[in-house]
Amino acid sequence: GDSVTQMEGPVTLSEEAFLTINCTYTATGYPSLFWYVQYPGEGLQLLLKATKADDKGSNKGFEATYRKETTSFHLEKGSVQVSDSAVYFCALTSNTNAGKSTFGDGTTLTVKP
Amino acid sequence: DTEVTQTPKHLVMGMTNKKSLKCEQHMGHRAMYWYKQKAKKPPELMFVYSYEKLSINESVPSRFSPECPNSSLLNLHLHALQPEDSALYLCASSQDLPNPNHEQFFGPGTRLTVL
Repeated sequence: GDSVTQMEGPVTLSEEAFLTINCTYTATGYPSLFWYVQYPGEGLQLLLKATKADDKGSNKGFEATYRKETTSFHLEKGSVQVSDSAVYFCALTSNTNAGKSTFGDGTTLTVKP
Repeated sequence: DTEVTQTPKHLVMGMTNKKSLKCEQHMGHRAMYWYKQKAKKPPELMFVYSYEKLSINESVPSRFSPECPNSSLLNLHLHALQPEDSALYLCASSQDLPNPNHEQFFGPGTRLTVL
């Protein structure tokens, strides 16, 4: 079945540091890949997505590239802010399992001033 | 309007109570979802509705009963819950199924406590 593996957290960074959160996946078919962010006390919201190999998703300074050869979708940001403190979930939806999204376990990011 | 709304925001209920959670979206989405999320865990899928018909039930206990009265509304009826059912219940919607490219739009959730 489909699975998503995220780097374990929590991750603590100083403001303006570089962020990488690793995400690798296994899937049948041709999955679409997503990063969702969950701020404290809120639901999840889409951060970015990529629907085919070599696509780059980007939003609010965050980027992730769909790498089929390494089955990865790592999240990066060049300079984090305190307001980026949240839980980040990598997820996939496969064309063979449509209707079900598979989520990683989540990575908690804390950014200190 | 790209918002999914959920009511109530918080709910405390006893094990013998009957209550309902409500979810609404006005984006014209035809797929709607219920998830359960425990603290520090990813969301767990419970139910999926596609075009107002139940398409996925992830072997959820019958004390949870979903209902989709129309394309904009999704309810989750609760009865005889257990303390371990305490969690954040998230509603989500997406454009339609089975296109995997469509992201899900999540509501803020209902924080449920079962005493």
